[in-house]
Amino acid sequence: AQTVTQSQPEMSVQEAETVTLSCTYDTSESDYYLFWYKQPPSRQMILVIRQEAYKQQNATENRFSVNFQKAAKSFSLKISDSQLGDAAMYFCAYMRGTSGSRLTFGEGTQLTVNP
Amino acid sequence: GAVVSQHPSWVICKSGTSVKIECRSLDFQATTMFWYRQFPKQSLMLMATSNEGSKATYEQGVEKDKFLINHASLTLSTLTVTSAHPEDSSFYICSAREDRGINEQFFGPGTRLTVL
Repeated sequence: AQTVTQSQPEMSVQEAETVTLSCTYDTSESDYYLFWYKQPPSRQMILVIRQEAYKQQNATENRFSVNFQKAAKSFSLKISDSQLGDAAMYFCAYMRGTSGSRLTFGEGTQLTVNP
Repeated sequence: GAVVSQHPSWVICKSGTSVKIECRSLDFQATTMFWYRQFPKQSLMLMATSNEGSKATYEQGVEKDKFLINHASLTLSTLTVTSAHPEDSSFYICSAREDRGINEQFFGPGTRLTVL
């Protein structure tokens, strides 16, 4: 079974600084997708970034980027120029590359942004 | 695009009653929808996978007679919590996978259920 581990229950960062959230996963599949979701206090799940396992290039979305290390099964999220609105719970998630597959979530990291 | 709605956003009910939660994909078709449960400060726990026109697939430990799922159309799945008890109080989230093949799930805003 696939597992996703986020070893940082809480993280904090100063506004405008950079923070990295860690995620590791375990799978025997070669075809899969990895995601970072943000859940603000409203509890609406928002997709931050996604990475296809077959792509070697790390995904980026504006201030958000990932460091995807396939051999190490590591998928960290870097948030640059942190903003107050980035404060939220962040979940790392795995999806097998089969159509209709379920998401497996990590435990989450609560990010606080200090002004 | 890719909007998923849930109704109601919150509900309070008495112990022993049943509550129905709707999940709709507003601008896309979704053969597959998922139902999650989330306790405070915890991750999302998958309860079941809902497939249009067929029976839902429940995760281990989830009572199918307690949590009834109906996916009668390509845009609507419902979760009915039957004979609700205080321990069923939780935040329920649905997601929908778009049929056109993009491997991404779109989430509803969630429903907070409180059973008195």
